[in-house]
Amino acid sequence: GIQVEQSPPDLILQEGANSTLRCNFSDSVNNLQWFHQNPWGQLINLFYIPSGTKQNGRLSATTVATERYSLLYISSSQTTDSGVYFCAVGRKGSSNTGKLIFGQGTTLQVKP
Amino acid sequence: NAGVTQTPKFRVLKTGQSMTLLCAQDMNHEYMYWYRQDPGMGLRLIHYSVGEGTTAKGEVPDGYNVSRLKKQNFLLGLESAAPSQTSVYFCASEGDYNEQFFGPGTRLTVL
Repeated sequence: GIQVEQSPPDLILQEGANSTLRCNFSDSVNNLQWFHQNPWGQLINLFYIPSGTKQNGRLSATTVATERYSLLYISSSQTTDSGVYFCAVGRKGSSNTGKLIFGQGTTLQVKP
Repeated sequence: NAGVTQTPKFRVLKTGQSMTLLCAQDMNHEYMYWYRQDPGMGLRLIHYSVGEGTTAKGEVPDGYNVSRLKKQNFLLGLESAAPSQTSVYFCASEGDYNEQFFGPGTRLTVL
């Protein structure tokens, strides 16, 4: 099956700093999503980005599908950005399902 | 538009007891999924459904059963709970464009 690796596993930032999180995957995909799991456990959709670049406020993401990686950029980090960031990928095959395979996550702590 | 909701939010069971987790979505999505999340890990797929009346096994299906009698609901059952099933359970639904939306989760402890 598809393998998903995220780096770094842990990240500590001072408020206002920028960061880049990486997601590598082992096979071609047609679904890639970034999620933020907040300290209360809620999974929040950040981006649906199987290819290309998207931006939403201080966050942006880029997926280079041909090279099998995706990057999540966080600029001017805030304490509310703390939590775990997951990359998840999927590929719809003949069964037409969209099963997502999750990476292990990057745990981000933003200090005031 | 509530999105994806899950019932209950928390539950404590004794080994051997049974229970059903309910997932409901109001987005008219065809695909629905049940995942579990264990400490320090990402989510793993338990079962999924591609439409009303259909179910299929995911990555970790043992000890669970599911039913999709109505399009908007996806039920996850534990017939005889075991401590290894202590976890946080997430339901998700998917629309036409592949993006999955997750419910708030159910935290289950099996003693």
